[in-house]
Amino acid sequence: EAQVTQNPRYLITVTGKKLTVTCSQNMNHEYMSWYRQDPGLGLRQIYYSMNVEVTDKGDVPEGYKVSRKEKRNFPLILESPSPNQTSLYFCASSAPGQGKTGELFFGEGSRLTVL
Amino acid sequence: RKEVEQDPGPFNVPEGATVAFNCTYSNSASQSFFWYRQDCRKEPKLLMSVYSSGNEDGRFTAQLNRASQYISLLIRDSKLSDSATYLCVALKGQNFVFGPGTRLSVLP
Repeated sequence: EAQVTQNPRYLITVTGKKLTVTCSQNMNHEYMSWYRQDPGLGLRQIYYSMNVEVTDKGDVPEGYKVSRKEKRNFPLILESPSPNQTSLYFCASSAPGQGKTGELFFGEGSRLTVL
Repeated sequence: RKEVEQDPGPFNVPEGATVAFNCTYSNSASQSFFWYRQDCRKEPKLLMSVYSSGNEDGRFTAQLNRASQYISLLIRDSKLSDSATYLCVALKGQNFVFGPGTRLSVLP
């Protein structure tokens, strides 16, 4: 089954404790992206990647890091989480050839709370 | 100014009503457009693409006006199950830009 898998789905952590949210897709997609969603602000892009070893900042990259060492994985790293990073995070992937159809495949989301 | 802007909503409509959502985009380099649907606390899912000639999928009709940089979504004969947030999306290069979404509640 084609899917994007995020882990963990739910996490409560404390300020300053490094954490990683993993994202994996099994569709051989080149494009992957991370978003955060907050009430009233919609989906905001954090980072995206067009291919292996190619990453670019989105609208709200501060406080986050990403890596794309393999095509299928695109982890989101919070080196020193702060309460303002409490949010619902989505990972998504797509294939350039599918750009015209616009199907971005999303993971189920990771709800992160930073105390 | 956001690259993709939408009606703020929420839209509360009775079952059977026709409802229209508007969206504008500021970057004329955007080449493709889409409507996504997001249910509460769930991931967004593609509803339909938007073509310049206009396109229809059952009760849903999407229109694109490149000259005005305007996109619309029309839902006819609203159902309770249409209650969701509708996201307008522009594809710029190979990057997807999302609007903030418009929430629709269809009431019995």
